[in-house]
Amino acid sequence: QVQLVESGGGVVQPGRSLRLSCTASGFSFSFYAMHWVRQVSGKGLEWVAVIWHDGSEKYYADSVKGRFTISRDNSKNTLHLQMSSLRAEDTAVYYCARDQRLWRPAYYFDYWGQGTLVTVSS
Amino acid sequence: DIQMTQSPSTLSASVGDRVTITCRASQTINIWLAWYQQKPGKAPKLLISQASTLESGVPSRFSGSGSGTEFTLTVSSLQPDDFATYYCQQYNSYSTFGPGTKVEIK
Repeated sequence: QVQLVESGGGVVQPGRSLRLSCTASGFSFSFYAMHWVRQVSGKGLEWVAVIWHDGSEKYYADSVKGRFTISRDNSKNTLHLQMSSLRAEDTAVYYCARDQRLWRPAYYFDYWGQGTLVTVSS
Repeated sequence: DIQMTQSPSTLSASVGDRVTITCRASQTINIWLAWYQQKPGKAPKLLISQASTLESGVPSRFSGSGSGTEFTLTVSSLQPDDFATYYCQQYNSYSTFGPGTKVEIK
């Protein structure tokens, strides 16, 4: 069965960096685009970034552009999100999510991880 | 950027009720709309894509309709497991979620 397991969350000071990881299993990871989506506690969902199945293209929400970097290692079935210059407003649960479509992303998500909490606070 | 709105923000209903949630896009998105259900402490679950296509395993009491800028999610007979928050999401241009509709027990 498809599983996505995030890790790397925690408490970090404003301006510092943090790297999230998502380990995938139960499907052909290299066939699918992958996304990060975040959710502020008790609030709505915000799409953060996407990476093509082969890592050839990456796109970001304006709120994180220039500060976050999405990457993947298909040999290890792993997705990453490198977050730098973190701000209080980046505090959220971060989910990795699989795109529903093979190869080129459709931008909607059929499998989600359980999420990892990032808290940006001094 | 495409903005999404949902109404109502909270809906109080009883088991067996028919409930409808409305989602509106700030510009036309054709049929590129999905609906998700989320329960507290859990990840969202995909219910419907392409505005009206029910995902595998989702009960048939859920249905979606609409195109362009206005969409609805209907639950024909609310069950105890359906009390949750529902989000619409456009994927015509990248991805934007609506603010959510909480369906609570009346």
